[in-house]
Amino acid sequence: DAGVIQSPRHEVTEMGQEVTLRCKPISGHDYLFWYRQTMMRGLELLIYFNNNVPIDDSGMPEDRFSAKMPNASFSTLKIQPSEPRDSAVYFCASSFGQMSIFGQGTRLTVV
Amino acid sequence: RKEVEQDPGPFNVPEGATVAFNCTYSNSASQSFFWYRQDCRKEPKLLMSVYSSGNEDGRFTAQLNRASQYISLLIRDSKLSDSATYLCVVRAAGGKSTFGDGTTLTVKP
Repeated sequence: DAGVIQSPRHEVTEMGQEVTLRCKPISGHDYLFWYRQTMMRGLELLIYFNNNVPIDDSGMPEDRFSAKMPNASFSTLKIQPSEPRDSAVYFCASSFGQMSIFGQGTRLTVV
Repeated sequence: RKEVEQDPGPFNVPEGATVAFNCTYSNSASQSFFWYRQDCRKEPKLLMSVYSSGNEDGRFTAQLNRASQYISLLIRDSKLSDSATYLCVVRAAGGKSTFGDGTTLTVKP
């Protein structure tokens, strides 16, 4: 298995634009997590899914953020409209059982 | 108060030193505990799970004290390659994993 695959690896966009981050979890994993990491706030859990169903989205900062998991092999995190304060590294992780495996992250810069 | 708290460091130690990191958590119903390692500009990677009986993996020893809601990681004979940020992770029933902010370790020659 290639591991958790995220795309794009880097994204630079202008304020106000829509941004979509993508994640392919490891096959057979039943949990999927979206995290955001910044120097100021560390690693924050935004939302997680179990068997494609959102379980806890209390970490989603505001209505500009939305996440979907239409099937077991794909998830998206969308920011619309994007703002400079959304600049961060966004990680997707998946797990089966206890341990989470992370993707390489998407480094988002909003200018 | 954060759900998972770590001393941010940084810890600067010479090669061969023994260094210990601590972590406390607030949710007494937490079920699983882990240490992750994160290198600069990389994703976090699992270092080891933490069990109540304590567990060891080579130079690394992890301990869990459920009564005190405290987790520790001990690194013996530290190497230059151990330089990284170490993240304490607590997982609750239902799957939610909460990360500490990490402790930065620099091992110097």
